[in-house]
Amino acid sequence: GENVEQHPSTLSVQEGDSAVIKCTYSDSASNYFPWYKQELGKRPQLIIDIRSNVGEKKDQRIAVTLNKTAKHFSLHITETQPEDSAVYFCAASIFDTGRRALTFGSGTRLQVQP
Amino acid sequence: SQTIHQWPATLVQPVGSPLSLECTVEGTSNPNLYWYRQAAGRGLQLLFYSVGIGQISSEVPQNLSASRPQDRQFILSSKKLLLSDSGFYLCAWSYGRSSTDTQYFGPGTRLTVL
Repeated sequence: GENVEQHPSTLSVQEGDSAVIKCTYSDSASNYFPWYKQELGKRPQLIIDIRSNVGEKKDQRIAVTLNKTAKHFSLHITETQPEDSAVYFCAASIFDTGRRALTFGSGTRLQVQP
Repeated sequence: SQTIHQWPATLVQPVGSPLSLECTVEGTSNPNLYWYRQAAGRGLQLLFYSVGIGQISSEVPQNLSASRPQDRQFILSSKKLLLSDSGFYLCAWSYGRSSTDTQYFGPGTRLTVL
C-alpha cells in the first residue's frame, strides 16, 4: 500500500521567514495530494491540494509543488505569521479507485516565533 | 452547505466497556465516509471507510467495528475498550462521485480509556 513520509517533524521559524515542509510517497499511481492544517485540539482543515497533472499551485502565501518523477511534494509558506503555528499534514491518494482514502504523513509541527 | 457532526465531543470510559461514536453529514447525498484515529501528538490513522450504505472497509484489524445504517450516518463501535483505544477520533466525508478526493473532517471525539 501507499506510504507517505513527511519531514521535518518540527520546524521553528521567525515571523516573516519562509517555511518548507516536504513529503515523499511510495505509490507512483497516487494522483491527489492535499495538505491539512491542524491547530491544537481542533480538526484538520484543508489548506491547499494539487493533482498530478499540475506541477505547482499557489494560494496567496501558500504554495505546493509536485515532482512526480521523484515522488515528492512540498508545502511552501511565505511571510509566516504567528497564526501559521500548527501541525501540518500531507497526504496522498489514488483518485478514481475503489479505496478513495487518503494516506497521511506523520505531521510537521510548525512554530512561528514573533 | 455541507456540515458534519460528531458526538459525543469527549468521552471517558473504563477498560472493557462498550463504545459507540456517531457521525452524521448534512447537505450532501451518497458521501464517502471515513473514521480516523489520532493518538496524542501523532498522525492520522485510517480505521474504516465506506462508499455506501452497509459497505464498510477495514484498514486496521482491531477490536473496533463500523456500521453505516443510513446514507449520511457512520457509527464506530467497540464491545470492549482497551487502554490503547484512547485517542482523538475523527470522522470525515468526501463527495462520492466527483473530480475531487478532498476530505472534510468533523470536530472529533476525544476518547480517554481508563
